[in-house]
Amino acid sequence: AQSVAQPEDQVNVAEGNPLTVKCTYSVSGNPYLFWYVQYPNRGLQFLLKYITGDNLVKGSYGFEAEFNKSQTSFHLKKPSALVSDSALYFCAVRALMDSSYKLIFGSGTRLLVRP
Amino acid sequence: DTEVTQTPKHLVMGMTNKKSLKCEQHMGHRAMYWYKQKAKKPPELMFVYSYEKLSINESVPSRFSPECPNSSLLNLHLHALQPEDSALYLCASSQEGGDDSPLHFGNGTRLTVT
Repeated sequence: AQSVAQPEDQVNVAEGNPLTVKCTYSVSGNPYLFWYVQYPNRGLQFLLKYITGDNLVKGSYGFEAEFNKSQTSFHLKKPSALVSDSALYFCAVRALMDSSYKLIFGSGTRLLVRP
Repeated sequence: DTEVTQTPKHLVMGMTNKKSLKCEQHMGHRAMYWYKQKAKKPPELMFVYSYEKLSINESVPSRFSPECPNSSLLNLHLHALQPEDSALYLCASSQEGGDDSPLHFGNGTRLTVT
């Protein structure tokens, strides 16, 4: 079955420390992977994507993600967290389902950055 | 600010009411989407329009009726909803449907069914 897993419901980190939000996937063929962020009372905002090429992808707001094919992972990282990074983060993978490409979202990880 | 505009921001309706949600984008995107999101959950796909034609219907109950009048507009007509339909309804658009271009989301309409 094609799926995305975000094993942590919540990640807590102190401001200034590095952060990692984990994502693993299961999909047929080459994966198209995405990260989105959702702030309270807002829609989702695109952060970055991996399609092909360099395994380290850089995105918006200083975020980056590392694609690891052998571990089927696409973890989101940031070298130095900000309080304003506190939000809900969704990993997603494009999958072919019922003859159409669809975006499968993970369950989401709440990031809390404490001052 | 988001480039996908949704109105209204909030909507309270009774189970016998008829209402509509509206979505607009002017990015020249050819695919538009409706998602439903419950609190602290991922968005669930409802409908996809590609080049103004309905391409995906995720077995959504007929009390939800989508409409795409033109390439910039997307509506969701609501009738005889149930309390469990209360949720955040998100509209999104992308350059093409099913490709690798990211989705651009609106800020949603928070719907409460009483």
